[in-house]
Amino acid sequence: GAGVSQSPSNKVTEKGKDVELRCDPISGHTALYWYRQSLGQGLEFLIYFQGNSAPDKSGLPSDRFSAERTGGSVSTLTIQRTQQEDSAVYLCASSSGNPDQPQHFGDGTRLSIL
Amino acid sequence: AQSVAQPEDQVNVAEGNPLTVKCTYSVSGNPYLFWYVQYPNRGLQFLLKYITGDNLVKGSYGFEAEFNKSQTSFHLKKPSALVSDSALYFCAVRPKGSGNTPLVFGKGTRLSVIA
Repeated sequence: GAGVSQSPSNKVTEKGKDVELRCDPISGHTALYWYRQSLGQGLEFLIYFQGNSAPDKSGLPSDRFSAERTGGSVSTLTIQRTQQEDSAVYLCASSSGNPDQPQHFGDGTRLSIL
Repeated sequence: AQSVAQPEDQVNVAEGNPLTVKCTYSVSGNPYLFWYVQYPNRGLQFLLKYITGDNLVKGSYGFEAEFNKSQTSFHLKKPSALVSDSALYFCAVRPKGSGNTPLVFGKGTRLSVIA
């Protein structure tokens, strides 16, 4: 498809397990962003990739969170030793290299930690 | 640091009436401003943006927004609300000259249009 694709759409796991969330950005988009949205809340920035530059990790809430972007395209967000407070919707967005252009969002992964 | 305020958590309007969703921002220098809409179990969809030029910008689904530099506001408007406009609306800002840095979002305003 032409939009940002995220998988899985839903993930339920037990506390203490590791999870991987995947994001396929729009083809040709050089910037990729991860956000977290808790129930009824706004968006919390997590991490940002721009081309081949080192990622901006300033929003990651703890060292249990990490992300990588392979080949400048697909990105994976990994949460280790999940906690109940990690339950949220994780949104990925991508954009072109022009700063006056909007970010385009996927439909997110709804993560539930039991 | 930049920030966005959406002072109303909830806005209720009758179908056919005009609607306004408020947004004010704080940024060093000039801003790029964006509005997004989010329907249940979906990601954010881009509605419109202000880059430069005309202070009134028009976007998708009949929405428009007015940039007011002196009041640092970018309120979203629509002349006649539809029930299908009921959703969560987010305002976002990015300072000009900051490259492709992440948009900073407000906390969102839930719009409810009543038939």
